[in-house]
Amino acid sequence: DTEVTQTPKHLVMGMTNKKSLKCEQHMGHRAMYWYKQKAKKPPELMFVYSYEKLSINESVPSRFSPECPNSSLLNLHLHALQPEDSALYLCASSPTDKGPSTDTQYFGPGTRLTVL
Amino acid sequence: SQQGEEDPQALSIQEGENATMNCSYKTSINNLQWYRQNSGRGLVHLILIRSNEREKHSGRLRVTLDTSKKSSSLLITASRAADTASYFCAPIKAAGNKLTFGGGTRVLVKP
Repeated sequence: DTEVTQTPKHLVMGMTNKKSLKCEQHMGHRAMYWYKQKAKKPPELMFVYSYEKLSINESVPSRFSPECPNSSLLNLHLHALQPEDSALYLCASSPTDKGPSTDTQYFGPGTRLTVL
Repeated sequence: SQQGEEDPQALSIQEGENATMNCSYKTSINNLQWYRQNSGRGLVHLILIRSNEREKHSGRLRVTLDTSKKSSSLLITASRAADTASYFCAPIKAAGNKLTFGGGTRVLVKP
């Protein structure tokens, strides 16, 4: 299995809702990532988990809360989002946490989030 | 920031033609990677070229790297409609632990 899966594919939520995005990989990868991508822009890194521990938080607002319950799963909990948070949220994984000098990142198809 | 800048921002070609896009960056790198993204979906890793390499091929893709000019190019030969996508470069520093993408080139291949 060489795939990163993300659910749901699409999500519409109100500013008072709480929702979660889910990412899963069964490649035995030990690093997992969340990226945010606005329309016609490149993906921007949000969080990095290394061996199930948060290793990088790119100054992301606390209304985004990541969680790594085990080595195969990565969640992004959403609460009190703003309309400007509407974007494509991409998950990725890599074999180790040695960084892109060594490891290729494998991306999921993304969750398209709309905040009303 | 190690972010690359890509040129052109958009490119429209006929099927069968070649497509060339360029990436420039600012500081020394360990390697440079190219990714493809179809219609706002996930990114797919295409090719990695190391700083001591000048040219690399993968199928219909040819990547060059000129470290003296701090630039790279991606050539897609004999393009197909399925090559319609956004292409991103990612220059990687030696100790870099983050993947940072350039602005991307949107390629449209018309049948």
